[in-house]
Formats: sequence, C-alpha cells, structure tokens
Amino acid sequence: KQEVTQIPAALSVPEGENLVLNCSFTDSAIYNLQWFRQDPGKGLTSLLLIQSSQREQTSGRLNASLDKSSGRSTLYIAASQPGDSATYLCAVFPRGFQKLVFGTGTRLLVSP
Amino acid sequence: DTAVSQTPKYLVTQMGNDKSIKCEQNLGHDTMYWYKQDSKKFLKIMFSYNNKELIINETVPNRFSPKSPDKAHLNLHINSLELGDSAVYFCASSQDLAEDDWETQYFGPGTRLLVL
Repeated sequence: KQEVTQIPAALSVPEGENLVLNCSFTDSAIYNLQWFRQDPGKGLTSLLLIQSSQREQTSGRLNASLDKSSGRSTLYIAASQPGDSATYLCAVFPRGFQKLVFGTGTRLLVSP
Repeated sequence: DTAVSQTPKYLVTQMGNDKSIKCEQNLGHDTMYWYKQDSKKFLKIMFSYNNKELIINETVPNRFSPKSPDKAHLNLHINSLELGDSAVYFCASSQDLAEDDWETQYFGPGTRLLVL
C-alpha cells in the first residue's frame, strides 16, 4: 500500500530564505509525482509534475527533484516571499491505479 | 474561464438529508475524480471515472453515489448524511496521454460540507 509522508509538517521562515520541503513514499512503482499548493479555503494548484523517468523539474523559483529508488522527492523554494505562504502537498500517481495518493502536507509561513 | 468548477461552494445541512454536489470540467479530459479532505487536511481519493465508467471506488460507503452523465460532468450524491461526512470535497480531472504519461490533475475549488 502506497503511503506518502511529508516533513516538516510546518515551517516558518523569514522572507528571502531558501528552503527545502521533503516528501517520501513507500512504493517506487509510480507514473509520476506532483507538488501542489493549497491556500486556506481554496482548491489545489499544481506546481510541478515529475514523470517517473525524470529526475527534476523547474518552474521559476521552484525546483523539484525525484529519486524513485529511495522513494524521495524534495521541493526547493529559492528566495522565499510572503506570497509563498500556503500548504504544500506532495502526491504520487501509483502504477496500476488511476488516483493520486497525497502526503500529509507542509504548512509554510514566510514572514516579511 | 474556469477549468474545473463545482457547485455549491458551501453546503450546510441536517443529518439524515440527501444532497448532491456537481462538478464540470471544460478541459476535454477523459478522467474525473472525487477526493475528500478531512478536518486534518488529509486528502484521499473517493472515486475515479474514465469516459463515464467507474474505475475506482475507494471503500466509500454506498450512501455516496457518483454519477457521470457525460465525460465532462461527475456529480456526487450523498444519501442519509452523517456528521462524519463533514469535509471539503474536491473534484478533479486529468488526461491520460499514453500508458506512462499521465498529465497533472486539475482541481476544482472544493465544496465545504457541514452536517449538523
């Protein structure tokens, strides 16, 4: 059974810091891994999708890596801004199953 | 132009009532999903439909019945609502481009259900 864990559960940093969010999953048989952002009271916004054959994806100040063999992914946020404050969710798409399995989320607060 | 829309946004109702939540996507995707986010913010799949056909029913009580009239719509009907059904329900859609090339899932804004 695929399980996804995110560490830390919450993170508070001052503006301008570079930070890393961690995601680990128990079964490496996945189609892809995705990082989402969720603002309070809102839906999910897809940030980055890494196919199983890829090792990383970049979008602006965000960089996500995937190490399938060790069951790990990291989301790197450069030069954090208050507008980055949100909950970040990692999700894997297991092979053979048409569904996303979500992690527990990291609640990020970037203070000015 | 909203890609995945849900109605209503908020739903407050009494225990025992029957209610429906509607979802529509205008992305031309083949696959649609319902997820439940509980009070601890944990998101879990409930159902998955591909071209109007049920693919996944993740041990959801049969009080929950999804209906897909066409591939752009996936509605969720809930009978005999219980207190524990209070949660945020998210609809999503995606396109499977090829065997190993699933596109990202696009989520609706969520429906906040409160059962009193």
